[in-house]
Amino acid sequence: GIQVEQSPPDLILQEGANSTLRCNFSDSVNNLQWFHQNPWGQLINLFYIPSGTKQNGRLSATTVATERYSLLYISSSQTTDSGVYFCAVGYNNNNAGNMLTFGGGTRLMVKP
Amino acid sequence: NAGVTQTPKFRILKIGQSMTLQCAQDMNHNYMYWYRQDPGMGLKLIYYSVGAGITDKGEVPNGYNVSRSTTEYFPLRLELAAPSQTSVYFCASSPPLRTGYQETQYFGPGTRLLVL
Repeated sequence: GIQVEQSPPDLILQEGANSTLRCNFSDSVNNLQWFHQNPWGQLINLFYIPSGTKQNGRLSATTVATERYSLLYISSSQTTDSGVYFCAVGYNNNNAGNMLTFGGGTRLMVKP
Repeated sequence: NAGVTQTPKFRILKIGQSMTLQCAQDMNHNYMYWYRQDPGMGLKLIYYSVGAGITDKGEVPNGYNVSRSTTEYFPLRLELAAPSQTSVYFCASSPPLRTGYQETQYFGPGTRLLVL
């Protein structure tokens, strides 16, 4: 099956700093999503980005499908950004919908 | 809409006991999924369903069973619970695939299971 690797595994930032999280995947995909899991365990979808670039406030994401990687940028980090960031990929088809394979996550702690 | 709901929130089981984790969605989604998340790890797919009456195995199906008699409900059954099944279980759903639409998965709040 498809392999998803995220880096770095852990990241500690001072509030206000910027960061880049990376996701590498081993096969062609037409579905790539970034999720934030907050300290209470809730999974929140940040981006659906199988290719191209998107921005939402202080967060932006870029996926280069031909080179099989995606980047999540967090600017001016806040303590509420703490948690685990997951990249998940898949190949949408009618037999399985948008079934996802998750990476191991990047654990982010933002200190005040 | 309540979205995806899961019950119970937390459960402790003894080795060998069985239980059913409940999942419901009120968005009329045809696709539903069960994942497990072990401590410090990403999510792994247990089973999925593309519609009522149709289910299939994911990456880690051993020790689990599912059924899907209606669009709304997708229960996960644990038979003979083992310590290795200690995990957080997430149910998710997604709408039909449509050309030009970006269909994300909607996740429930999770069920935390401890097997002792």
